[in-house]
Amino acid sequence: SQTIHQWPATLVQPVGSPLSLECTVEGTSNPNLYWYRQAAGRGLQLLFYSVGIGQISSEVPQNLSASRPQDRQFILSSKKLLLSDSGFYLCAWRRPGGGGPGYEQYFGPGTRLTVT
Amino acid sequence: KQEVTQIPAALSVPEGENLVLNCSFTDSAIYNLQWFRQDPGKGLTSLLLIQSSQREQTSGRLNASLDKSSGRSTLYIAASQPGDSATYLCAVRRTGGSYIPTFGRGTSLIVHP
Repeated sequence: SQTIHQWPATLVQPVGSPLSLECTVEGTSNPNLYWYRQAAGRGLQLLFYSVGIGQISSEVPQNLSASRPQDRQFILSSKKLLLSDSGFYLCAWRRPGGGGPGYEQYFGPGTRLTVT
Repeated sequence: KQEVTQIPAALSVPEGENLVLNCSFTDSAIYNLQWFRQDPGKGLTSLLLIQSSQREQTSGRLNASLDKSSGRSTLYIAASQPGDSATYLCAVRRTGGSYIPTFGRGTSLIVHP
């Protein structure tokens, strides 16, 4: 079966510090991968998605970046965090191709980031 | 641009009631629609996925329907239980292009014992 991992689970970082959040998926190949942010009182915001190694699309301009160094690894980074980067970061995956049952989007447990 | 609205934003009911959660979308050219639940501080859990060619999907006490022409989906929860308390989100994927779903803001459900 497939599983998705995210770490760390929680993180408290000062303004201006760097960030690295990691997401890995097991049990599948060539997944579509996604990074979302969920801020308090706001909806789910898509940040990046990837259809393959080294292929990253950005949905929202910001000081964050994403990389996909391996097929099932997705990393979210920042060189200098802002207060507005605080939020709940979620990684998700789905099988590429179809849109019916079996092609659902699945989410990881999330990382709670607090920028102080 | 696709917009997804979920009404009501919050709902509180006694245990045992049958519930209907609503999801509406502005562009009917959708490929599929997926319902999720999210417990506080947790990730999203997939509940049901309905392809555009389908009218409904069922899983246990949950039934999701889709009326693409009117831009609506409903999630029916039968005989609600306190364990059903969570936020329920729907996400719609448009036809064509990459799989980038548009999410609603969710309905926060509380089921009282």
